[in-house]
Amino acid sequence: GIQVEQSPPDLILQEGANSTLRCNFSDSVNNLQWFHQNPWGQLINLFYIPSGTKQNGRLSATTVATERYSLLYISSSQTTDSGVYFCAVEEAQGGSEKLVFGKGTKLTVNP
Amino acid sequence: GAGVSQTPSNKVTEKGKYVELRCDPISGHTALYWYRQSLGQGPEFLIYFQGTGAADDSGLPNDRFFAVRPEGSVSTLKIQRTERGDSAVYLCASSSGIGELFFGEGSRLTVL
Repeated sequence: GIQVEQSPPDLILQEGANSTLRCNFSDSVNNLQWFHQNPWGQLINLFYIPSGTKQNGRLSATTVATERYSLLYISSSQTTDSGVYFCAVEEAQGGSEKLVFGKGTKLTVNP
Repeated sequence: GAGVSQTPSNKVTEKGKYVELRCDPISGHTALYWYRQSLGQGPEFLIYFQGTGAADDSGLPNDRFFAVRPEGSVSTLKIQRTERGDSAVYLCASSSGIGELFFGEGSRLTVL
């Protein structure tokens, strides 16, 4: 099955800093989503982005499907951005609409 | 409802007992997914339904796990003869079929 690798595994920032999180995947995908899991465990949708670029406030994401990676940019980070960021993909040839998750990037933003 | 609703939010049981976890998807969503998340890991796929039928149950770990969605809306995940290794957060998600999944807050299961 498809492999999803996220980097870095851990990231510590000072409030106000910018960061880039990366997601590499091993095969073609129909669907790619970025999620933020807050300290209470809730998975919050950030982007549905199988290709192209999207922006939402301080967050933006780019997926280059032909090169099998996606990037999540966080600008002017805030303490509320802390948590784990997951990339999840649906394999194009898998015959199933399930999402396969990476192991996540744990982000800590210090005041 | 406005979002995916899961009950109970917390369940503590003893090894060997039977457990049911319920998921109420977003109204009108035809696809429903169950995932399991252990501490420090990403969610792992268990099963997904398209309407009333299980379209893919390849993630169910063994025959102690079973899920139903009899009317194509609410789903129940059933775990028989629970083991300590079943302790995890069980997440439910739904989708309109376009692709974007929306998750509930999860049911935290602890098997003593």
